[in-house]
Amino acid sequence: GAVVSQHPSWVICKSGTSVKIECRSLDFQATTMFWYRQFPKQSLMLMATSNEGSKATYEQGVEKDKFLINHASLTLSTLTVTSAHPEDSSFYICSARLAEPLDTQYFGPGTRLTVL
Amino acid sequence: QKEVEQNSGPLSVPEGAIASLNCTYSDRGSQSFFWYRQYSGKSPELIMSIYSNGDKEDGRFTAQLNKASQYVSLLIRDSQPSDSATYLCAVNRGSNYKLTFGKGTLLTVNP
Repeated sequence: GAVVSQHPSWVICKSGTSVKIECRSLDFQATTMFWYRQFPKQSLMLMATSNEGSKATYEQGVEKDKFLINHASLTLSTLTVTSAHPEDSSFYICSARLAEPLDTQYFGPGTRLTVL
Repeated sequence: QKEVEQNSGPLSVPEGAIASLNCTYSDRGSQSFFWYRQYSGKSPELIMSIYSNGDKEDGRFTAQLNKASQYVSLLIRDSQPSDSATYLCAVNRGSNYKLTFGKGTLLTVNP
């Protein structure tokens, strides 16, 4: 149980285009999902908290207009990187919060974004 | 003081040995504690969670929590080369459900 999927697993795009990444909780409902970014050999960096039916909460320094988050259902959150640039190339990972029986986060497999 | 601290390693142990990974945290209000394993190029995978003082065992893994001393540890018995990975300690500090991660300890198990 507690499986989280992401799609796509990798994507290559041209500078200036937008890319949408989906995060799904497959066997449980997640009112809260999280989006992280990880650069090579660095720690996970929390970008934002996604709550079903409400606006996402972004961490300090993360541009909300660049990283659009939509949590339209209890099993799906999407991250759209708008007008992507090479510096946005990174490993994007989502996690979903399973509230019961004990509050735990499960991670998706990640999406590797390369912007040319 | 960093919120969650781990030795970055690398920690190198021979196959079959016990690997001991340690983590300290600064917020006494922390509620729950997690160990995630992350292979190079992959996302974190939950290994253990612990919520109350004492030991919790799951197969070859034992998590230990001491809230008074603000540390949590992970023991891996009979270490295998497949255990070679970065181990992330994570702490949930309360109602916003966010996890605070340590920088991770790189474990290498030598055949």
